[in-house]
Amino acid sequence: EAQVTQNPRYLITVTGKKLTVTCSQNMNHEYMSWYRQDPGLGLRQIYYSMNVEVTDKGDVPEGYKVSRKEKRNFPLILESPSPNQTSLYFCASSSLPGQGTDTQYFGPGTRLTVL
Amino acid sequence: GQNIDQPTEMTATEGAIVQINCTYQTSGFNGLFWYQQHAGEAPTFLSYNVLDGLEEKGRFSSFLSRSKGYSYLLLKELQMKDSASYLCAVLDSNYQLIWGAGTKLIIKP
Repeated sequence: EAQVTQNPRYLITVTGKKLTVTCSQNMNHEYMSWYRQDPGLGLRQIYYSMNVEVTDKGDVPEGYKVSRKEKRNFPLILESPSPNQTSLYFCASSSLPGQGTDTQYFGPGTRLTVL
Repeated sequence: GQNIDQPTEMTATEGAIVQINCTYQTSGFNGLFWYQQHAGEAPTFLSYNVLDGLEEKGRFSSFLSRSKGYSYLLLKELQMKDSASYLCAVLDSNYQLIWGAGTKLIIKP
């Protein structure tokens, strides 16, 4: 079954404690991205990756890091989480923009609370 | 700057028709998407328009006018399960997706 998986689904942590949210896709997609979703603001892109070892900043990259060492995995790293990073996070993957229908397949979401 | 506007919330009656509008101002255009998102869940793909005109897919249709920077999503024969948020997104000239804040659709019996 084609899918994007994220872990954990729910996480409550404290300010400053490093955390990683994993993302994996099994569709051999080149393009992967991370979004955060906050009430009234819609989806905002944090980082995206066009292929292995290629990552770029999205609209709201401050406080986040990513890596793309393998095609299927795209972890999101918060080195020192702060309360303003409390949000719902989605990982998504697709074929390369402009080379298909560009339909984004989304993971189930990770609800993060930083105290 | 880049901007996508859609109504915050709409209410409709079960069995009726509703039209959700989306206007956009972006740096270039490489297609417009509509996604459905139920509360607390991931968005799911509904439609993709890159040329002007109407695309019909069952009870859902999507229309695009590139010259007007305008699209709408038309939902027919509304069902209670259609209660969700509907997200409009535009692929700009850099192939970056720009998202609207979403329209929350409430269906009443």
